[in-house]
Amino acid sequence: QQQVKQSPQSLIVQKGGIPIINCAYENTAFDYFPWYQQFPGKGPALLIAIRPDVSEKKEGRFTISFNKSAKQFSLHIMDSQPGDSATYFCAASIGGGDKIIFGKGTRLHILP
Amino acid sequence: GAVVSQHPSWVICKSGTSVKIECRSLDFQATTMFWYRQFPKQSLMLMATSNEGSKATYEQGVEKDKFLINHASLTLSTLTVTSAHPEDSSFYICSARPPAGGTYEQYFGPGTRLTVT
Repeated sequence: QQQVKQSPQSLIVQKGGIPIINCAYENTAFDYFPWYQQFPGKGPALLIAIRPDVSEKKEGRFTISFNKSAKQFSLHIMDSQPGDSATYFCAASIGGGDKIIFGKGTRLHILP
Repeated sequence: GAVVSQHPSWVICKSGTSVKIECRSLDFQATTMFWYRQFPKQSLMLMATSNEGSKATYEQGVEKDKFLINHASLTLSTLTVTSAHPEDSSFYICSARPPAGGTYEQYFGPGTRLTVT
């Protein structure tokens, strides 16, 4: 119930391609869905987040698509660059983010 | 933007000794701070939630006597790993949440790499 399932575990994309990372959840009480980007040896940084009353959110090259009925959400990275190579975590929380449940992460590698 | 710092960024200690890690919110007051542990190539696991001026709440399976958390001020929380053992070697990350006011965000520190020899 408290899990967030993330796929794929790793992803390799050519520069300019659109990597897509998918996440699914069970607990309908989740009301905040952030995505984090983490570089090796660094803490995670918030990329973009969405609430369940919105089906899509764009910030720069990053887009979240949210399907409330399917309990799924995904991250798309437009015009991907080698600098986007990092580990990406989807997450979910309830009522203000007191406890963030992280997915297992996706190691993304963008080929130059 | 909100900045969270951690000190030290890395530490090596001998088995049986204790290590203290500091987490500071630099430009905001954090009534709530969180401590996570991350093993190589794995996700972040919440260890405990600390609220300023009260005892920390530990997640199931986390030994509160081994991982001592103190949140003495609105900008500082500390994690002390007592009697450290090699299996405690990990990447420890803190995060901080500003006081209630509409934001759901947690701001993460850069992490502390602990190696116990």
